[in-house]
Amino acid sequence: EIVLTQSPGTLSLSPGDRATLSCRASRSVSTSNLAWYQQKPGQAPRLLIYGASSRATGIPDRFSGSGSGTDFTLIISRLEPEDFAVYYCQQYGGSPQTFGQGTKVEIK
Amino acid sequence: EVQLVESGGGLVQPGRSLRLSCAASGFTFDDYAMHWVRQSPGKGLEWVSGITWGSFKIDYADSVKGRFTISRDNAKSSLYLQMSNLRVEDTALYYCVKDVGYADFLFFDSWGQGALVTVSS
Repeated sequence: EIVLTQSPGTLSLSPGDRATLSCRASRSVSTSNLAWYQQKPGQAPRLLIYGASSRATGIPDRFSGSGSGTDFTLIISRLEPEDFAVYYCQQYGGSPQTFGQGTKVEIK
Repeated sequence: EVQLVESGGGLVQPGRSLRLSCAASGFTFDDYAMHWVRQSPGKGLEWVSGITWGSFKIDYADSVKGRFTISRDNAKSSLYLQMSNLRVEDTALYYCVKDVGYADFLFFDSWGQGALVTVSS
């Protein structure tokens, strides 16, 4: 299976800062079949990005995704208070689908 | 509005069985693949099992293969997970999840609130 490794484990930032989250795959993810989800405490995950760079419906444009092959990035251009959460990447190009272990974005 | 409501969670002893159900509404259920994804307390997400619209493709994580069975009843807009020979490590919040695809597994655009399964003696 494809193992996804997210870094850093925790990102301590202030509102207004730029957040850069990394997701690295153990082998190439076919046709950029990578998604990003946001999870807040006590809530189910929410889809942010699919196809590595396409924003899901209703997701603000401060969220952007990029990458291909084995290296993918989620950028939050200016952190809003509601963006502090845990973020997961998921690959759906290989079987089984797998998730990264998550990156927590916390208030500094 | 898409709604996914899980039920059937609870406390069960190791080796016993439990059946989770998910009632879906707000979309045409038989147009989409569905999944179960779990999250152990304080941990990350783990895909458990998926089933395409007509049950033609079914797959399981290695950790549950041979013990869990996924099924769906399109007439009732319902998804199920029969869990047998439960282990302590199966303790988790189990989410019912809607795929964006129907004949293959893609990414997930809607999640339920989860059903908590606790396996303990």
